[in-house]
Amino acid sequence: AQKITQTQPGMFVQEKEAVTLDCTYDTSDQSYGLFWYKQPSSGEMIFLIYQGSYDEQNATEGRYSLNFQKARKSANLVISASQLGDSAMYFCAMSGGYQKVTFGTGTKLQVIP
Amino acid sequence: DAGVIQSPRHEVTEMGQEVTLRCKPISGHDYLFWYRQTMMRGLELLIYFNNNVPIDDSGMPEDRFSAKMPNASFSTLKIQPSEPRDSAVYFCASSLFPGVGGGFGDTQYFGPGTRLTVL
Repeated sequence: AQKITQTQPGMFVQEKEAVTLDCTYDTSDQSYGLFWYKQPSSGEMIFLIYQGSYDEQNATEGRYSLNFQKARKSANLVISASQLGDSAMYFCAMSGGYQKVTFGTGTKLQVIP
Repeated sequence: DAGVIQSPRHEVTEMGQEVTLRCKPISGHDYLFWYRQTMMRGLELLIYFNNNVPIDDSGMPEDRFSAKMPNASFSTLKIQPSEPRDSAVYFCASSLFPGVGGGFGDTQYFGPGTRLTVL
């Protein structure tokens, strides 16, 4: 069975600073994918970034990067140069096996001006 | 390119009434998912389809819930009769195809959600 753990229910970060949102996972699959989604207060779920378990390099998408440490089973999201619009809930998720995606409980990020 | 489309965006109904939520996935996506999100339980997968066929409905809470996908571009989630504890945001999501055990094709793209309130 897959499991995603996000231990930070809430985080604060100063505008323009970088922030790391933690995510650890557990799976018996050898091949799997890791995802991060953003859910602003408006409610939609926005896909941010993907990392495959066999990808040797950490994924990056603009100001988002995924710090993938396979041996530690962690897939932390790093947001550089935080903006006020980054205030939202952030969900870590993983897929493995046959199209079953497991979501974490989320971290609420608040960016302070 | 249009994303996943859901309707209605908001639904307020009275207990006992039938509720039908609608979803149009992204064209070309073979997989469609229905989720429910509440403060207490977070994001729960209710059911998913592959090529219009239900694959796993183990998350459907009760027989009051049913889902159909009559064609590749349309799916419904029906609650009959509705109860106040069904109040939640219901998301539809679609994805291309399964990666080889967790590939980029697994990336799910979500619709805007339907906020259901049952009085």
